[in-house]
Amino acid sequence: DTAVSQTPKYLVTQMGNDKSIKCEQNLGHDTMYWYKQDSKKFLKIMFSYNNKELIINETVPNRFSPKSPDKAHLNLHINSLELGDSAVYFCASSQDSLAGLNEQFFGPGTRLTVL
Amino acid sequence: DAKTTQPPSMDCAEGRAANLPCNHSTISGNEYVYWYRQIHSQGPQYIIHGLKNNETNEMASLIITEDRKSSTLILPHATLRDTAVYYCIVGAGNTPLVFGKGTRLSVIA
Repeated sequence: DTAVSQTPKYLVTQMGNDKSIKCEQNLGHDTMYWYKQDSKKFLKIMFSYNNKELIINETVPNRFSPKSPDKAHLNLHINSLELGDSAVYFCASSQDSLAGLNEQFFGPGTRLTVL
Repeated sequence: DAKTTQPPSMDCAEGRAANLPCNHSTISGNEYVYWYRQIHSQGPQYIIHGLKNNETNEMASLIITEDRKSSTLILPHATLRDTAVYYCIVGAGNTPLVFGKGTRLSVIA
């Protein structure tokens, strides 16, 4: 069983389109995240959700809108796609812990290419 | 910005121990040291974490200096499958990870 899954794995689209990436975790975790890895391979946090509530929203354009229908899902919707949005997007999840353990489980990534 | 400094790349012979250093001189008292790795084209994978004591699990050992300003990840018997980018991350629990540039480890046959 896949712990954190993302669909689609690859997404090629034209500038100006709207697209969504889906993420599901079957680990029963409370917190989910979206990270972006650009062409220079830097991994940066975009959003963090805890029990369906937005906790962290880094300086991400408001064209990006995460949605969490339940605590097992965190989807990412992107409006008016731009060339600079081309990247690999990773979803992750973790379980709240008092012991400092921040073991995040990452999905396989979605490679988005905007033409 | 990442609070850690790592060498950009290292080589290790297959079967030998790989020792990956990390400096985190500004670490706070409540912050842990985490190590993750990213094998090409895959999502990052958790390896180990520690606060001040040395830690060992089935994947690796983590040695943290007494002043907590630096640490070393040890892969005791590196294999070709250990070739990856290794990230040393400092932070408190349940917060997003702040990734730096990491160390690209190449295990050579």
